[in-house]
Amino acid sequence: DAKTTQPPSMDCAEGRAANLPCNHSTISGNEYVYWYRQIHSQGPQYIIHGLKNNETNEMASLIITEDRKSSTLILPHATLRDTAVYYCIVRVIDNYGQNFVFGPGTRLSVLP
Amino acid sequence: DADVTQTPRNRITKTGKRIMLECSQTKGHDRMYWYRQDPGLGLQLIYYSFDVKDINKGEISDGYSVSRQAQAKFSLSLESAIPNQTALYFCATSDLLDRTGRPSVDEQYFGPGTRLTVT
Repeated sequence: DAKTTQPPSMDCAEGRAANLPCNHSTISGNEYVYWYRQIHSQGPQYIIHGLKNNETNEMASLIITEDRKSSTLILPHATLRDTAVYYCIVRVIDNYGQNFVFGPGTRLSVLP
Repeated sequence: DADVTQTPRNRITKTGKRIMLECSQTKGHDRMYWYRQDPGLGLQLIYYSFDVKDINKGEISDGYSVSRQAQAKFSLSLESAIPNQTALYFCATSDLLDRTGRPSVDEQYFGPGTRLTVT
């Protein structure tokens, strides 16, 4: 079973920031938070990951609360092409390679 | 050219037929995966392989088998297809270790998917 809970759907106006929440209240100290997205039945695409510090890359920012029980993915200036299903996943990074568990995710609709 | 390719992209078959879905990658990754996705749901792991000599069952392996013919190739077979195996199937690859030998991000790279319909 997925270790995360996400809202099933969200809307965002084009050009505005999209803030996607994820709860992972049972996260362990060595589990990372990953975000992937899936655009219209294409293969999922990696966005970002983090452990406890906030992270930023060219696609998005990841804000993790101090207690690590929740996080938020931020798309700073959402475009219509960001309409997709966004998956929040927690897993360990180690030599055994724990597998990813994809839950139903959040369907983000960016509106013109 | 795509790093992870899947063939066929679409397939319609009848109940009881044997079907093979193929996945090839040019990324040089050791790990390969097969997932299925039903409408409106997340991905479920069918099988995964750490290297050519390693095969592991995922969450929903019943009714499926796999073959890792080479580092770059990982095939999924449905020995006797049934209608509830109608789904979108994805292959993915990842590298467990980075260039220094430490655990990497293990970012998964997905293929474009195969839409399978069993009538």
